Amino acid sequence: AQSVTQLDSQVPVFEEAPVELRCNYSSSVSVYLFWYVQYPNQGLQLLLKYLSGSTLVKGINGFEAEFNKSQTSFHLRKPSVHISDTAEYFCAVSFMDSSYKLIFGSGTRLLVRP
Amino acid sequence: NAGVTQTPKFQVLKTGQSMTLQCAQDMNHEYMSWYRQDPGMGLRLIHYSVGAGITDQGEVPNGYNVSRSTTEDFPLRLLSAAPSQTSVYFCASSYKGTQHFGDGTRLSIL
Repeated sequence: AQSVTQLDSQVPVFEEAPVELRCNYSSSVSVYLFWYVQYPNQGLQLLLKYLSGSTLVKGINGFEAEFNKSQTSFHLRKPSVHISDTAEYFCAVSFMDSSYKLIFGSGTRLLVRP
Repeated sequence: NAGVTQTPKFQVLKTGQSMTLQCAQDMNHEYMSWYRQDPGMGLRLIHYSVGAGITDQGEVPNGYNVSRSTTEDFPLRLLSAAPSQTSVYFCASSYKGTQHFGDGTRLSIL
């Protein structure tokens, strides 16, 4: 079965601390991987994506993610967070079968405290 | 640069009413999709389309219909609204795996 799991519903962290948001997926076919961010009362904004090539992907706002095929993971990291990073973060996977449909995880709320 | 345009932005319906959520994109993308977003559940795929004349069901299709007569438009129809359909609805179009989202429609069913 195809699925996407974000293990943490909320991650509290102090400003300037590092953070990792976890994402695992289950698939029998190859995948494309994405992280989106949603600020309150706004739509979704693409942070970064992995389509092929280097497994370490750098995105906007200082975020990066690493694709680990053996562990079927795509964890999002940032070495030093800011108050403005407080938002909901969604991992999404596009399965490379005939549909290419995009399935989202349930989201992780990052709460950055001063 | 319009991108993906959703209308209306807000709507309140009574149980049993019908309505259509509009979605249009001007990027000539073949792939379009509809999601609903509910607290704690992320975005769930309702229906998607890989091109004009082709639609398919996603994770939560019940209670919704779609059609794709043109590349640009992908309307979502609620035939008989139910309170369980209260949600925020997002339309998206896609090219080479990257989805572009509209700003969403906040729908309340009383």
